[in-house]
Amino acid sequence: GNSVTQMEGPVTLSEEAFLTINCTYTATGYPSLFWYVQYPGEGLQLLLKATKADDKGSNKGFEATYRKETTSFHLEKGSVQVSDSAVYFCALSPRNSGNTPLVFGKGTRLSVIA
Amino acid sequence: NAGVTQTPKFQVLKTGQSMTLQCAQDMNHNSMYWYRQDPGMGLRLIYYSASEGTTDKGEVPNGYNVSRLNKREFSLRLESAAPSQTSVYFCASRPMTGGGTEAFFGQGTRLTVV
Repeated sequence: GNSVTQMEGPVTLSEEAFLTINCTYTATGYPSLFWYVQYPGEGLQLLLKATKADDKGSNKGFEATYRKETTSFHLEKGSVQVSDSAVYFCALSPRNSGNTPLVFGKGTRLSVIA
Repeated sequence: NAGVTQTPKFQVLKTGQSMTLQCAQDMNHNSMYWYRQDPGMGLRLIYYSASEGTTDKGEVPNGYNVSRLNKREFSLRLESAAPSQTSVYFCASRPMTGGGTEAFFGQGTRLTVV
């Protein structure tokens, strides 16, 4: 079946530190991959996505590269800010899936301290 | 742009009471979803509707029913609320199910069953 595994949190970093949140997936074929962010008290919003192998998604200083050889889509940011404190979800959408919805990881809570 | 609108935002129910969570989207999306979010469990799919006139069970459908009233609206009903249904409920929509399209989320309904 399709599944997403992401590193468990919480992750606590100092401002300007480097961030990596690991995400690996299991899927048949080559899915599309997503990172969503959830700020406190809000719904999820798309942060970035990649739809084929070797694509790099980027937004707001965050990046993730679709690696089919390692079935991974790790989220990175070079210098985090307090405002990046949120919960981050990795997700996949099976390609040519018919009616299969997005599959989410369990989320990683990030806290950035000044 | 309103996007995905959920009502109510907060609700407290007594055990055994019933209620309907409302969701509407104005993006002309075909697919709509209901998730629940619990600490440490990430997002779990309750029901989804791949297109108007169809609904399917997700991972945790027990205790819930849904209605896809038209293309815009997808409601979630709790017939007899239980404390285990205390959660944050998110509605989402997507242009289609599958492929590289992302889902758009509402702000959530925070439900407490006492």
